[in-house]
Amino acid sequence: KAGVTQTPRYLIKTRGQQVTLSCSPISGHRSVSWYQQTPGQGLQFLFEYFSETQRNKGNFPGRFSGRQFSNSRSEMNVSTLELGDSALYLCASSATVGMNTEAFFGQGTRLTVV
Amino acid sequence: KNQVEQSPQSLIILEGKNCTLQCNYTVSPFSNLRWYKQDTGRGPVSLTIMTFSENTKSNGRYTATLDADTKQSSLHITASQLSDSASYICVVSARTGFQKLVFGTGTRLLVSP
Repeated sequence: KAGVTQTPRYLIKTRGQQVTLSCSPISGHRSVSWYQQTPGQGLQFLFEYFSETQRNKGNFPGRFSGRQFSNSRSEMNVSTLELGDSALYLCASSATVGMNTEAFFGQGTRLTVV
Repeated sequence: KNQVEQSPQSLIILEGKNCTLQCNYTVSPFSNLRWYKQDTGRGPVSLTIMTFSENTKSNGRYTATLDADTKQSSLHITASQLSDSASYICVVSARTGFQKLVFGTGTRLLVSP
């Protein structure tokens, strides 16, 4: 069974640009969550989608947005990139949104803003 | 405020030795606690998940304990191997209408030959 796939693995962008990251969850999983990981802050929750609906959102500015498609694949978009957006962006998929549902992480997309 | 604190921040041990990582949390209402292992540049991989009623759970050489009364958890690694070098992240789930995960900043473990 294929794991969570994130593309691209690495990305370099300049300030002011926008970027779109993609996440394909494990087959059959309907929940996708996105996280930002930086050395100083650890993992920070961005948002969670289930069946194409955003169920929860973290404390990030409106420049960060996402969506989920009918096949459960998800994308997140960051507009007007800032240097501080440089981070590892992780996607996790779960079968459902139940309390004890296992979350499986992808390898992440390393975004560098210069 | 829901928080998860891990200690130590970093740790160096010799191959073959045991070690214990700590996690204290103030997340409420508590749903479950997970330990993840994250290799550098990779996504976290789940080691254990424990609910309120579970005190101990093992996964090979990894044993996690949970004391829900004191809101503490530990991850014990037995007979460490070089491949255990990684960051170990404690994640606590709050029991709300949706699954809210609160992450610790991790303990960076280096196993030295």
